[in-house]
Formats: sequence, C-alpha cells, structure tokens
Amino acid sequence: GDSVTQMEGPVTLSEEAFLTINCTYTATGYPSLFWYVQYPGEGLQLLLKATKADDKGSNKGFEATYRKETTSFHLEKGSVQVSDSAVYFCALSDGGFGNEKLTFGTGTRLTIIP
Amino acid sequence: EAQVTQNPRYLITVTGKKLTVTCSQNMNHEYMSWYRQDPGLGLRQIYYSMNVEVTDKGDVPEGYKVSRKEKRNFPLILESPSPNQTSLYFCASSFGQGVGEQFFGPGTRLTVL
Repeated sequence: GDSVTQMEGPVTLSEEAFLTINCTYTATGYPSLFWYVQYPGEGLQLLLKATKADDKGSNKGFEATYRKETTSFHLEKGSVQVSDSAVYFCALSDGGFGNEKLTFGTGTRLTIIP
Repeated sequence: EAQVTQNPRYLITVTGKKLTVTCSQNMNHEYMSWYRQDPGLGLRQIYYSMNVEVTDKGDVPEGYKVSRKEKRNFPLILESPSPNQTSLYFCASSFGQGVGEQFFGPGTRLTVL
C-alpha cells in the first residue's frame, strides 16, 4: 500500500537558517503530494501541494518539488523564522475510488530559536 | 468564515460509556473524513464519506461508527470506548474533486480511562 517516510525529528534551527525536511513516498499510481503544517493547539493546514511530476509547490517561502524519479518531495525554506515553529507533515493522496484519503508521514517537529 | 468545527475539544471519559464527537463544515463540501493522530504514527483515517448516506471504512475503523444524514455534519460515535482509543481526533472535509486537499477541524483530544 501507499506509504510516506519522513525525516525524523525534532529539528531545532536558529532563526534565518536554511531548512530541509526530507520526505519520500511509495505509491502504486500517480499521487498528489502535500505538506501540511500543524501549529500548537490547532488543526492541520495545507502548506503547499504538487499534483504531478516536476511540479513545484510553494507558499510562505517554503518550496517542494515533486520528484518522480527519486519518489521524493522534500520541503525547503531559505531563511526560517521563529513563527515557523510547528509540526510538518508530508502526505500523499491517490484519490482512488473516490476516497481522498491522505496517507501521512509521522511528522517532523521544527523549533526555531531566536 | 469557512471552517470545520468539532465538539467537544477535550473529553475525558471512562471505559464503556458511549460518546459522540460532532463535526460540522460550512463549505458545502461533499467529502468528509475522520482521522486519529497518535505519536510516531502520524494521522490515520478512521472513516470517510463521499456524500450524504454514503460512508465507508478507512484504515482503522474498529470500535468506531459514523453517520452522514446531512451534508454538513459527520459525527464520530464510540459506542463502547476503550483506553486504546485515547487519541487526538481530526475531522476533515473537501469538495471531493480527487486531488486530496482537505480542510481540518481543530481536533478533539479524547482520554478514555
């Protein structure tokens, strides 16, 4: 079945550092790929998405490129801020049979220190 | 404001006492789903619904029930809760257009003693 493997956390960085959170996936079809973010005490929010190979999703300075050849969707940001502290989830959906189920990675907790 | 609401946000109960967690969305979404979030496991789908009166099991449905009598509501029912159902629960919804982008509620933290 589908699965998502995500970089283990927690990750602690200084403000303005470069961020990479690795994500690889296994899927039988051509899934859509997502990064969701969960701020403390809140539900998940969509950060960015890509629906086909070589697409780049971007939002709030974050980027991720759908790499079919390496089955990866790594999240990057050039200069992180304290407000980026949150838990980040990589996810995929193959939309099979009308079930838009999201298959999630285990999440990476990111803490940015001033 | 477009949103998914859940109630209650926090609940402590005892084994075997039936409970219902409500979920409501105001975006006229056709697709709704329940997930549970556990440490080290990410989120796992419990049940989903593609439209009114259409529901189906997700990956971890045992011990749960759902109903979809109205488009906006999708309650999660635990008829006889057990301690292994202690978890953080999220309701999600979308237009059901097959691209998987979903809107999540704020979560319900359930503790079963």
